[in-house]
Amino acid sequence: AIRMTQSPSSFSASTGDRVTITCRASQGISSYLAWYQQKPGKAPKLLIYAASTLQSGVPSRFSGSGSGTDFTLTISCLQSEDFATYYCQQYYSYPTFGPGTKVDIK
Amino acid sequence: QVQLVQSGAEVKKPGASVKVSCKVSGYTLTELSMHWVRQAPGKGLEWMGGFDPEDGETIYAQKFQGRVTMTEDTSTDTAYMELSSLRSEDTAVYYCATGHSSGWSVLDYWGQGTLVTVSS
Repeated sequence: AIRMTQSPSSFSASTGDRVTITCRASQGISSYLAWYQQKPGKAPKLLIYAASTLQSGVPSRFSGSGSGTDFTLTISCLQSEDFATYYCQQYYSYPTFGPGTKVDIK
Repeated sequence: QVQLVQSGAEVKKPGASVKVSCKVSGYTLTELSMHWVRQAPGKGLEWMGGFDPEDGETIYAQKFQGRVTMTEDTSTDTAYMELSSLRSEDTAVYYCATGHSSGWSVLDYWGQGTLVTVSS
């Protein structure tokens, strides 16, 4: 199975900050990568697929990049509603998720 | 707009089975690719299996093969996930989710989750 890692595992940030989360695959996955946001007690929400395509309805402050094994999720200007845990997921083969990155308030 | 409504919380004893349902509205089940994902308390997301529309069959994650069965009742647009031989490590929130048009295992619509607690 393809193993996904994320860094950092958690960090604190302030509203208005530009934040970047990194995801790495144990082998090349082309652009078969998705990002999800999850808030406590809620189901995950799809943000980005195909590494950089924004899901309908997702604010443009979210962006994704990368291909092969290294990927990033960037939030250009952090809003209060963005404090959450973010997961990457590969779908090059049977899907596997990264361990998550928790973004909390500084 | 797809809506997925799952059955309520369950408490089961070790060794028992649990069957969780996921009612679809807004679309018919035959138009969707249904998946199941679980999340243990305080942990990350774990894909259990899902329907691959290209192969026309349900694929199970190796970890759960032999213990999980995913079925569908198209007459009621309800999907089911049954997990057997439960152990304490199966305590988790179980989600149903639908596959996206861009990739069968990109998960775009999610149910609200069903907490399954395994305890003696």
